[in-house]
Amino acid sequence: NAGVTQTPKFRILKIGQSMTLQCTQDMNHNYMYWYRQDPGMGLKLIYYSVGAGITDKGEVPNGYNVSRSTTEDFPLRLELAAPSQTSVYFCASRLTGGNYEQYFGPGTRLTVT
Amino acid sequence: AQSVAQPEDQVNVAEGNPLTVKCTYSVSGNPYLFWYVQYPNRGLQFLLKYITGDNLVKGSYGFEAEFNKSQTSFHLKKPSALVSDSALYFCAVRDMKDSNYQLIWGAGTKLIIKP
Repeated sequence: NAGVTQTPKFRILKIGQSMTLQCTQDMNHNYMYWYRQDPGMGLKLIYYSVGAGITDKGEVPNGYNVSRSTTEDFPLRLELAAPSQTSVYFCASRLTGGNYEQYFGPGTRLTVT
Repeated sequence: AQSVAQPEDQVNVAEGNPLTVKCTYSVSGNPYLFWYVQYPNRGLQFLLKYITGDNLVKGSYGFEAEFNKSQTSFHLKKPSALVSDSALYFCAVRDMKDSNYQLIWGAGTKLIIKP
């Protein structure tokens, strides 16, 4: 049972480049989330999904896109990278229902220069 | 507005001493409260939660947290700190206005346990 996996672990992008951060969970969780973590700050929610085919914006969605074609996968797309998107990105998932516990991936450290 | 505050950026404790990491919240209604821990270069891990019931909640790695409704606090505690407890700790509260139960996160407190 791998839990939540994220690839890549590290990435350096040039301004204007695009990339996709991959997230996969094998726990059959309906809910999935993308967060960014900036130094000295808490987690900011970028996008979330309550199930395959359903996504919604979080607190800081600008500059990002997501899709959820399967229960397992929830990729995050950066179309035109900007220095302000330098951050650590975490994917998380949880079961529907009363537990509310989120399971996190190990993160992707992204630098845009 | 709903919010979570962790008033200390950093807490330093000697190994073997009790530790407290503070969290206060502001939400409407009865809160659902959480503590997560982040070790260096790792994702966050769930420690414990309060939803209802006893005000003292026990969690992983010997941690516990006390829910205090009158003080709107949910402080994390451990009777005897270990060097391995050194990490970043996040408090979170369920957004009571969101039907999908998003979490509102504190900024985190760095806990340093010195030998």
